[in-house]
Formats: sequence, structure tokens, C-alpha cells
Amino acid sequence: GDSVTQMEGPVTLSEEAFLTINCTYTATGYPSLFWYVQYPGEGLQLLLKATKADDKGSNKGFEATYRKETTSFHLEKGSVQVSDSAVYFCALREGAQKLVFGQGTRLTINP
Amino acid sequence: DAGVTQSPTHLIKTRGQHVTLRCSPISGHKSVSWYQQVLGQGPQFIFQYYEKEERGRGNFPDRFSARQFPNYSSELNVNALLLGDSALYLCASSLSAGDTYNEQFFGPGTRLTVL
Repeated sequence: GDSVTQMEGPVTLSEEAFLTINCTYTATGYPSLFWYVQYPGEGLQLLLKATKADDKGSNKGFEATYRKETTSFHLEKGSVQVSDSAVYFCALREGAQKLVFGQGTRLTINP
Repeated sequence: DAGVTQSPTHLIKTRGQHVTLRCSPISGHKSVSWYQQVLGQGPQFIFQYYEKEERGRGNFPDRFSARQFPNYSSELNVNALLLGDSALYLCASSLSAGDTYNEQFFGPGTRLTVL
């Protein structure tokens, strides 16, 4: 079946640093790709998405580009803030509704 | 508008017991999906229901069952609980089941601990 692999965490950065969280996927066909964020004690929130190759999803300063040739969807942000501390999940949609998630990457931003 | 709500927030059970978790979707949403998130891992798909019918099932044993009611709320039932069932159970709702562009909105989850 389809699968998603994320870079292992935890990741610790200083405020205003550049962030990259790597995500690669294995899938038949061309699934939609997502990044979700989970703050402590909360459920998942959709951060951004891309539905076809070369699409760039963006939100709140975060960006990710759907790269079919490398089967990747890396998350980037130019200048992180303490409030970005959370767990980030890369996911793909298999079929109409089933989401397949990576294992998550815990991000901590120090002031 | 209220988001997806789940109850209870936390639950402690012992091995062999049965548990029922509840989910109310966003108003107007007719599809509900359930996910299991074991500590330190990503969520795993359990079920999807749409218009009271099961539309998808993940790789979970028959001890897991679910149903959807006419008001589109849903219950997840787990029988004969095992220690490994300890997890955060997430419910997600969306407008429909067949449109690949539908966004799924997640609830805060129910934390189940099996002792």
C-alpha cells in the first residue's frame, strides 16, 4: 500500500532559523499531499496541501512543493517562531478519503 | 460554528472491557472517519462512514466496529480491549465521501488508556 516517510525528530531550532522537514512518499498514481500540524493536547489541523505535481502549497509562512520526480513534499519556512513548536505530519490521500500519515516530526523552537 | 466534537476527552479501561467513543461532525458534514494515533506515531485509518454506510476500513481487527446515526454523528466501539489499544482516537468529518478535494476536519480526540 501507499506510505509516507518523514525525517526523524525531534528537531530543535532557534527562533528565526530556517526550517526544512523532509517527506517522501510511495504511492500508485498521483495522490494529493498534505502537511498537518498538531499542537499539544489538540487534534490535527491542516497546514497546507497540494493536489498535483509541481503545485506549491503555502500557509502561515510554510511552503511545500509536490515533486513527482523525487516523490517528495518537503516542508519549509524561512524564519520560525516559538509558536511554531508542534508536531508536524506529512500525509497523502489514498482513494477518496483515506489519509496515510508519516510518523510525525516534533519541532521545538527556542527563543 | 462548532468544530468536530468528541467525547469523552479521556477514558481509562482495563483489559477485556468494552469502550464506546462518540463523535459529532461539523454541521452539514455527512462523512465521518476514525483514526487511531498511538503515542509517537502518525494516525492510522480505521473507518470511514458516509450516509450511515461504511465506505472504507483500515487494517484493524473485528474487535473494532463503528456506526453512523441519522444525524451523522458516529460511534466507535472496541471490544475485548488490549493494552495495545491505548491511543488517541481521532474523528474527522468532511462534506461528502467521494470528492477527493474535500478537506477533513479533525476533532481534539479521545485519549484511551487500557490498564
